[in-house]
Amino acid sequence: DAGVIQSPRHEVTEMGQEVTLRCKPISGHNSLFWYRQTMMRGLELLIYFNNNVPIDDSGMPEDRFSAKMPNASFSTLKIQPSEPRDSAVYFCASSERFLDNEQFFGPGTRLTVL
Amino acid sequence: QKEVEQNSGPLSVPEGAIASLNCTYSDRGSQSFFWYRQYSGKSPELIMSIYSNGDKEDGRFTAQLNKASQYVSLLIRDSQPSDSATYLCAVNTGRNTPLVFGKGTRLSVIA
Repeated sequence: DAGVIQSPRHEVTEMGQEVTLRCKPISGHNSLFWYRQTMMRGLELLIYFNNNVPIDDSGMPEDRFSAKMPNASFSTLKIQPSEPRDSAVYFCASSERFLDNEQFFGPGTRLTVL
Repeated sequence: QKEVEQNSGPLSVPEGAIASLNCTYSDRGSQSFFWYRQYSGKSPELIMSIYSNGDKEDGRFTAQLNKASQYVSLLIRDSQPSDSATYLCAVNTGRNTPLVFGKGTRLSVIA
């Protein structure tokens, strides 16, 4: 199995630009999670889906952030407009069943907003 | 949000020594506990889980849980330089919500 796939792996953009991060979960996994990791705040859960339905987006920091999961094999996290404080590593993770304790993480996208 | 606390480190231990990583949690109803390892520049991966009070051993790793004290730890025996990583404690509060992660402890094993 290819594992969780994320793209791009690195993104450098200028403040005010739109950023779209992409994730393909492990085939057959029903739950998908988006995290943000920084040195200061650690690993923060932004939003999670079960069977393509958003369950809880209370971790999304601002309205500038949005996430979609149009089908079982694809999800996006969008930031519009981006700000320098959004710079972080964004991880996507999936699990086989809803609220399974083992989450499989993708390689992450390192976002830098100048 | 429920809190999971870890000392950020770095924790430095000599090769061959025992590394002890600690984690406390605030939700007394928490039911299951996990340790994830994250190498620098990589993503977290699950290495240990523990569900009941006491010790659980897996190779050089031992997880210890004390629910009364709301404390979970990870011991790494015969530490190797390849164990150098950040170790994230994660807690399932059992309230139909996903895992809550601590900020992690950075471990450095010195050869």
